Amino acid sequence: EIVLTQSPGTLSLSPGERATLSCRASQTVISNYLAWYQQIPGQPPRLLIYGASSRASGIPDRFSGSGSATDFTLTISRLEPEDFAVYYCLQYGSSPRTFGQGTKVEIK
Amino acid sequence: QVQLQESGPGLVNVSETLSLTCTVSGGSISEHYWSWIRQSPGKGLEWIGYIHYSGITNYNPSFKRRVTISVVRSKNQFSLELSAVTAADTARYYCARLGKTDGYVFDYWGQGTLVTVSS
Repeated sequence: EIVLTQSPGTLSLSPGERATLSCRASQTVISNYLAWYQQIPGQPPRLLIYGASSRASGIPDRFSGSGSATDFTLTISRLEPEDFAVYYCLQYGSSPRTFGQGTKVEIK
Repeated sequence: QVQLQESGPGLVNVSETLSLTCTVSGGSISEHYWSWIRQSPGKGLEWIGYIHYSGITNYNPSFKRRVTISVVRSKNQFSLELSAVTAADTARYYCARLGKTDGYVFDYWGQGTLVTVSS
């Protein structure tokens, strides 16, 4: 199975700053089927990005995804207070589908 | 807007079978694939398996011999059964829809239900 490694484990930033999150796959992600989710405590994961770079419906354009093959990035251009949360990547090109362990974006 | 709601016992005894149901509203269960995913502090998010209303299933090999996912079309529901549970199966269980994007990503999730396995 494909192992996804996210870095850093925790990112401490201030509102208005830029956040760059990494997701590295142990094998090539087929068709760049890589998604990003945001999870706020007590809530289910919320889809942000699919297909490595396509924003899901209703997601603000400060969220962007990039990358291919084994290296993927989620960028939040300017952090809003509601963006402080845990972010997960998911690969859905190969079975079994697998998630990364998460990156926590916390207020500095 | 599609909504999903998990239901079932919050406490299951070791070696018994965990049974959960997901009720889908705001859309027909026959139009998509549907999945179960769980989340625990120790293992994070784990995909368990998915089903199409036609009965096609795909399970994570980590669960394959213990898991059954089925659809109840008349009730717009699908279910999860996980047998021979241990403490390691204690987790929050989510049901989710696979959207019709290329590759079928999980786009709508239920709120999740916490299941504790007790000895």
